[in-house]
Amino acid sequence: DQQVKQNSPSLSVQEGRISILNCDYTNSMFDYFLWYKKYPAEGPTFLISISSIKDKNEDGRFTVFLNKSAKHLSLHIVPSQPGDSAVYFCAARGPSGSARQLTFGSGTQLTVLP
Amino acid sequence: DTGVSQNPRHKITKRGQNVTFRCDPISEHNRLYWYRQTLGQGPEFLTYFQNEAQLEKSRLLSDRFSAERPKGSFSTLEIQRTEQGDSAMYLCASSLTAQPQHFGDGTRLSIL
Repeated sequence: DQQVKQNSPSLSVQEGRISILNCDYTNSMFDYFLWYKKYPAEGPTFLISISSIKDKNEDGRFTVFLNKSAKHLSLHIVPSQPGDSAVYFCAARGPSGSARQLTFGSGTQLTVLP
Repeated sequence: DTGVSQNPRHKITKRGQNVTFRCDPISEHNRLYWYRQTLGQGPEFLTYFQNEAQLEKSRLLSDRFSAERPKGSFSTLEIQRTEQGDSAMYLCASSLTAQPQHFGDGTRLSIL
């Protein structure tokens, strides 16, 4: 069973516009969520995170929103730049006392068009 | 650069052979994780160490897989009697307690 889902395999956005990447989860025990960016031939790079006690976290052009009741989070990139083109993974982590490994979605390929 | 280092970057081997991968985490990180990633999927958790203790193993980690972190620093992942289905990218990550995990660039395993 896929506990973290990214239902859009790909997204294309014009440079300067907003990119919105979505993620849904099923396990209500997840208490911490992360977004990673991955370029080809490289490992995932940590981008931004949010604790379940918050509903928004912002870092420069990147903002993550969490809707716990809907078990949904999203990553907003404003403005989008060509260098943002990469695969974006949503990940979730269990609460303190559990193994703390990350459960990943299958990723969304973002292409920012110049 | 003091990021997570994985060696080798690529490994090609024949089915039935044993392979071993190495991961050097960020030096002060006490937690080390192994993940496996196949095409079109996100990384899947394999196993986790806190210092030298292996605290969790996934169902994905069959008896042919073994991981060690003998002195709480670097780690090795060994696959015995490799099978076609073992072809994947093997990723290592490290973290401080409760902090985001930082990943290496992985070892790509190809089974002929």
